[in-house]
Amino acid sequence: GAGVSQSPSNKVTEKGKDVELRCDPISGHTALYWYRQSLGQGLEFLIYFQGNSAPDKSGLPSDRFSAERTGGSVSTLTIQRTQQEDSAVYLCASSPSDTYNEQFFGPGTRLTVL
Amino acid sequence: AQSVTQLGSHVSVSEGALVLLRCNYSSSVPPYLFWYVQYPNQGLQLLLKYTSAATLVKGINGFEAEFKKSETSFHLTKPSAHMSDAAEYFCAVSDRGSGNTGKLIFGQGTTLQVKP
Repeated sequence: GAGVSQSPSNKVTEKGKDVELRCDPISGHTALYWYRQSLGQGLEFLIYFQGNSAPDKSGLPSDRFSAERTGGSVSTLTIQRTQQEDSAVYLCASSPSDTYNEQFFGPGTRLTVL
Repeated sequence: AQSVTQLGSHVSVSEGALVLLRCNYSSSVPPYLFWYVQYPNQGLQLLLKYTSAATLVKGINGFEAEFKKSETSFHLTKPSAHMSDAAEYFCAVSDRGSGNTGKLIFGQGTTLQVKP
């Protein structure tokens, strides 16, 4: 079956611009996670959605970052007024409702801020 | 709070040799532990997971890991390396603190090089 998909695969933007990154989780998975992978910081948790519950935003690095999940499926991560330190690979993962199950990762979006 | 430490950012082995990638964890509750592999320009793929059942866990592609509570370790091994094993490997612990989100806390990763 289809796995987690993310778009775009690559995004180059200028400092100060806003960007939107999209994640399509595996159908039926209620949990969705965003992570960031960068050279300096490794893999970091950003935000977690579970069904209709309030998201866990504890990993978002600043108020320039926000995310939403519409209809319990597709999620969009938005970065406003991008900075060069936002350059990273943004990974999305989804999981069945059991929080200790495997997380299935998408291929990621590589963001480059010039 | 949980944390993971991977010893050695780069490991190089010859094809056919034993692969040993080290991972130590810190957790105030019984941990759920994972090993993921990342090939170039791809996402993360689960190799294996420990969720408090058998302490010796077998995964895909011939990998296995042993949970040792006394050593707070979860080292990844493979008896014989293949060229196709060259990738980056991440050890992770699942958040089981308040809220139990299941978010993963990753180690810094180990790049495995396999020499012919």
